Amino acid sequence: QKEVEQNSGPLSVPEGAIASLNCTYSDRVSQSFFWYRQYSGKSPELIMSIYSNGDKEDGRFTAQLNKASQYVSLLIRDSQPSDSATYLCAVMPRNTDKLIFGTGTRLQVFP
Amino acid sequence: DAGVIQSPRHEVTEMGQEVTLRCKPISGHNSLFWYRQTMMRGLELLIYFNNNVPIDDSGMPEDRFSAKMPNASFSTLKIQPSEPRDSAVYFCASSLSLNQPQHFGDGTRLSIL
Repeated sequence: QKEVEQNSGPLSVPEGAIASLNCTYSDRVSQSFFWYRQYSGKSPELIMSIYSNGDKEDGRFTAQLNKASQYVSLLIRDSQPSDSATYLCAVMPRNTDKLIFGTGTRLQVFP
Repeated sequence: DAGVIQSPRHEVTEMGQEVTLRCKPISGHNSLFWYRQTMMRGLELLIYFNNNVPIDDSGMPEDRFSAKMPNASFSTLKIQPSEPRDSAVYFCASSLSLNQPQHFGDGTRLSIL
């Protein structure tokens, strides 16, 4: 089992819809969770961090964390074509300073 | 504010040559990370430093790879000798401290012929 798993996609949603991206992780005692967006040919860009169970909202983005079920998700409301990118989930297990990245989910938002 | 600065942006060289990648972290950031990204393996952590000291180099693939951080504003990743399978995008990232969000540079696209 991979430490951080994501569906590679592509996930295709129409403009204006909600895009839901999911990530599961294997280390039950992980403490910190991050979502990065990576446009083709560009570097990963941090868009959300979440540390405790529940929802965290920032503009059109909402991160959701459920430690009991070991999953973290990212919701993008009112999706725009400019949101089309690969979204990387990253997890930092407890007692380590390493970020473990998933392989990413490619999101396509069509007009 | 300036972000993480990497150079060169692109490097094409023949196998067997020495390659040196450079990184300047965000000012005030105490932790620095080197990653490699390929289609097959995704984003892999190679090595990271805290306060200029290497903490974990277990991700460095072989002895051909080495990294240094002589001061708080500069780090290098060296490959000697280079091989075609080293072709990838190499990213440097920095954070205020360990456990804090990491911010990535634009990367170096390395091609070994």
